[in-house]
Amino acid sequence: ETGVTQSPTHLIKTRGQQVTLRCSSQSGHNTVSWYQQALGQGPQFIFQYYREEENGRGNFPPRFSGLQFPNYSSELNVNALELDDSALYLCASSPVPGLTEKLFFGSGTQLSVL
Amino acid sequence: AQSVTQPDIHITVSEGASLELRCNYSYGATPYLFWYVQSPGQGLQLLLKYFSGDTLVQGIKGFEAEFKRSQSSFNLRKPSVHWSDAAEYFCAVGARSGGSYIPTFGRGTSLIVHP
Repeated sequence: ETGVTQSPTHLIKTRGQQVTLRCSSQSGHNTVSWYQQALGQGPQFIFQYYREEENGRGNFPPRFSGLQFPNYSSELNVNALELDDSALYLCASSPVPGLTEKLFFGSGTQLSVL
Repeated sequence: AQSVTQPDIHITVSEGASLELRCNYSYGATPYLFWYVQSPGQGLQLLLKYFSGDTLVQGIKGFEAEFKRSQSSFNLRKPSVHWSDAAEYFCAVGARSGGSYIPTFGRGTSLIVHP
């Protein structure tokens, strides 16, 4: 039991729509990062939030955006969905940024874009 | 830019046999290296990590890995595989990004265990 929970577990959207994915971090963790895992690929870093500020971003377009709330939970928003956005989206929390060894992953949200 | 190569997409072993999963990395500085395991429908779980010091690192579930700088490799090993080890295994290199070390993952190796 990692304590990182993500919702929903599965989601189906159509191209052009917008989607919001949610993540509750493990108790005591103030850093949340998001990853996209396409089928047959490793996770790719999207961005990281620390104390409600974005403090690292991977090679993803601006239509991928996020929020972190005062309770350290987080949202990932994707606008103008494309077929290639179909993937498993993983959230991970850690007690502080920079300690990659302390990443705890949720089980992910499986997004299908039709 | 950093990168990780896992040359084997699938590995099949018999239960009780030894296992070695290959990982090669590319990174300009001293790497932080990780192995994660992902079971179906689950998130990633850290098996072991290398930051510095002893190049042979021990992890959970009986896994170990050896860092070889000359070969840019960080192969994962287990002397005797159990059926429950069947899963997807990811090697990652941690690269500095702002104030954090962000893992770059390989594409993964799927381990199939035959009884």
